[in-house]
Amino acid sequence: TQLLEQSPQFLSIQEGENLTVYCNSSSVFSSLQWYRQEPGEGPVLLVTVVTGGEVKKLKRLTFQFGDARKDSSLHITAAQPGDTGLYLCAGGLAGNNRKLIWGLGTSLAVNP
Amino acid sequence: NAGVMQNPRHLVRRRGQEARLRCSPMKGHSHVYWYRQLPEEGLKFMVYLQKENIIDESGMPKERFSAEFPKEGPSILRIQQVVRGDSAAYFCASSQVPGGTEAFFGQGTRLTVV
Repeated sequence: TQLLEQSPQFLSIQEGENLTVYCNSSSVFSSLQWYRQEPGEGPVLLVTVVTGGEVKKLKRLTFQFGDARKDSSLHITAAQPGDTGLYLCAGGLAGNNRKLIWGLGTSLAVNP
Repeated sequence: NAGVMQNPRHLVRRRGQEARLRCSPMKGHSHVYWYRQLPEEGLKFMVYLQKENIIDESGMPKERFSAEFPKEGPSILRIQQVVRGDSAAYFCASSQVPGGTEAFFGQGTRLTVV
């Protein structure tokens, strides 16, 4: 059973397009992180959200944590080839923040 | 400020041999986490350690796998008598505070068992 469901699993778009990827769960998380992983490398932390309804912006990336802290979204504006990679969400369960629960990721390809 | 350092980056072992994977956390980080990643399964938590203590090893197989984080030196993930199914990318992450939030990952060790 996958506690964190990410969608879509794969996404291929043209440079300049906008996109949104989702991270959904039936569980409540005390915090949720988004990471980006490139082939052959480790995940790199992009953002941490902790408050229901929280919105954080990182240049062209906008992260939102659901009001009930069960889901999150990542929106990329005007995607660039450098955005290509695997986007992973990971959550710390309320009451047990010792280990992160990971989604399987959304593999994004931005074509020039 | 060096990031999380893992070595080796690539490790090839024959079935039955031992594999030792090393992880040096970021400076000032005393919490270390080991994960295994397989292409179709995503990142799976294995073990969480603080200096000289194993805090949570619920994700680590009971046999052949062990981990330590000594007072001095890197954290070690040890796999004895490796089998083909152990082939995977093993990632180490460290954090300054407990819980794995704001964890920073190393580049991983890719273990291939032949």
